[in-house]
Amino acid sequence: DQQVKQNSPSLSVQEGRISILNCDYTNSMFDYFLWYKKYPAEGPTFLISISSIKDKNEDGRFTVFLNKSAKHLSLHIVPSQPGDSAVYFCAAVQGAQKLVFGQGTRLTINP
Amino acid sequence: DAGITQSPRHKVTETGTPVTLRCHQTENHRYMYWYRQDPGHGLRLIHYSYGVKDTDKGEVSDGYSVSRSKTEDFLLTLESATSSQTSVYFCATASEASYEQYFGPGTRLTVT
Repeated sequence: DQQVKQNSPSLSVQEGRISILNCDYTNSMFDYFLWYKKYPAEGPTFLISISSIKDKNEDGRFTVFLNKSAKHLSLHIVPSQPGDSAVYFCAAVQGAQKLVFGQGTRLTINP
Repeated sequence: DAGITQSPRHKVTETGTPVTLRCHQTENHRYMYWYRQDPGHGLRLIHYSYGVKDTDKGEVSDGYSVSRSKTEDFLLTLESATSSQTSVYFCATASEASYEQYFGPGTRLTVT
């Protein structure tokens, strides 16, 4: 039973445009979410997070939106740059200091 | 960067042999985790530790055991490796102050 789902395995976006990565969850008890970025042959690195008491969190080119009623969050990257090409994972905090991850979305930024 | 190293980085082993993967951290983080990454599954938690000698099972713990005798080291053991355990294994750590987890570079394990 996948509690956190990223239904798009891949996404291709032109450089300079907006990239939107989506994530859905099923457990209404989740109250904190994180996005990670992963390059090939490296470990995931933390990108941005959001608490359920907010509906938006922004950090430079990255913005995460949370829609609690829809159990949906999205990561917006604008403008997209070639270095943003990576696999992106969303994750939800479950219990004490445990994360449940989605399957990941491979983002490719085309010149 | 939480100063996390994993060893070995690559390993090829035969079915039925025991394998131990090591994770070492220099940040004195209380929590440590072992994940496996497989296509279509993302990152799945195998085992985690919330202190020295305190460990618990994750989502995919069958066939794996762990030990943590020191704060800085967390070992993952495959008692008898199977081909289904071919994967990339990541160690992660977290402090009590944040939900953010810091990941090591990964170990690519191939079981033939």
